[in-house]
Amino acid sequence: AQSVAQPEDQVNVAEGNPLTVKCTYSVSGNPYLFWYVQYPNRGLQFLLKYITGDNLVKGSYGFEAEFNKSQTSFHLKKPSALVSDSALYFCAVSPNTGFQKLVFGTGTRLLVSP
Amino acid sequence: DAGITQSPRHKVTETGTPVTLRCHQTENHRYMYWYRQDPGHGLRLIHYSYGVKDTDKGEVSDGYSVSRSKTEDFLLTLESATSSQTSVYFCAISESAGSSYNSPLHFGNGTRLTVT
Repeated sequence: AQSVAQPEDQVNVAEGNPLTVKCTYSVSGNPYLFWYVQYPNRGLQFLLKYITGDNLVKGSYGFEAEFNKSQTSFHLKKPSALVSDSALYFCAVSPNTGFQKLVFGTGTRLLVSP
Repeated sequence: DAGITQSPRHKVTETGTPVTLRCHQTENHRYMYWYRQDPGHGLRLIHYSYGVKDTDKGEVSDGYSVSRSKTEDFLLTLESATSSQTSVYFCAISESAGSSYNSPLHFGNGTRLTVT
């Protein structure tokens, strides 16, 4: 069965500094990987996905993620954090059999200080 | 934002009572999902639908049932609510669900359910 680990409950970063939110996964076969963001009292919003191709994936709001097959990781990154990036971030993984097998991590709260 | 409306947004109910949550979409997407979000667990799939009258169980389906009589509506019913079902429930939709993954999941804003 597939699984996702987000080892940090919270990440603190100063505005303007680079940020990284970590994600490691376990899945049989080739993974489909996703990052979602959740703002207070809202549903999850899609940020980016890795299906195949380039290991560096660019997504919404200046975020990017790097797929590393050997380390089974898919870390979310942004070169310069904004206070408005403060939110809850979820990594998710699925085999290529459909969203019914999509598994979410427990989430990482990102706090960007002014 | 994708056209997904969940109702009610908040509900408090007593143990043992039936509860129905509604998800309505205006996107005409084929696939619809119900998730619950709990601290320390992330999101877990309860049930999903791949068409009108076509539904299947997810990871945490015990105590829940669903129905989809129209493309746009997906109902989640707790037949006899328990305190362990206190949670935030999210509906999601997707245009496709197979290997194409051209359409990611789009989520509603959630229903906060408290069972006392």
